[in-house]
Amino acid sequence: SAVISQKPSRDICQRGTSLTIQCQVDSQVTMMFWYRQQPGQSLTLIATANQGSEATYESGFVIDKFPISRPNLTFSTLTVSNMSPEDSSIYLCSVLGTSGANEQFFGPGTRLTVL
Amino acid sequence: GQQLNQSPQSMFIQEGEDVSMNCTSSSIFNTWLWYKQDPGEGPVLLIALYKAGELTSNGRLTAQFGITRKDSFLNISASIPSDVGIYFCAGPIQGAQKLVFGQGTRLTINP
Repeated sequence: SAVISQKPSRDICQRGTSLTIQCQVDSQVTMMFWYRQQPGQSLTLIATANQGSEATYESGFVIDKFPISRPNLTFSTLTVSNMSPEDSSIYLCSVLGTSGANEQFFGPGTRLTVL
Repeated sequence: GQQLNQSPQSMFIQEGEDVSMNCTSSSIFNTWLWYKQDPGEGPVLLIALYKAGELTSNGRLTAQFGITRKDSFLNISASIPSDVGIYFCAGPIQGAQKLVFGQGTRLTINP
């Protein structure tokens, strides 16, 4: 499986600011995904990051709040904009495995706390 | 939409005991995935199931793909302290490659 890294691993931010999270994969992958995991909760898909085109957002998530970039097949960024305490979560990127099945492999996550 | 109901939500067991958890849905899934998440880490894929009735093992872990394709089970035998964590089931949303996750089962082990 691919090796996935995320930066930063954690951050504490002030209300109203924005944070950009980076996801780097050690091999080219077709599909990358961004998830949010609120405290004590399960994972919820934010969007699919498409290389060369706009991300595809899930219901309840909008581009103005969570802009995503995917400049190439090994890298993506998620920005959490105009943050509020409700945005405090773990943000995870994942990639689709190469086996042709639906397996996804996850990065270590970015733990965000908004004061 | 497709949802996964995972139970139990939490388990408190003694070291050495066997563990069983399950995941059900009102919808059919063609793949079932089981992940484990340790504190401060991303989920790690434990077992993937692709065929109804399939029984797959990974060390002390065994998972089964229900014959109706609407459920899956994960068993852990002879639990050890490093089994502590949150276990998630997941499956692909029909017609897409994105996953839906169960609520998770938090496993705590008393030594």
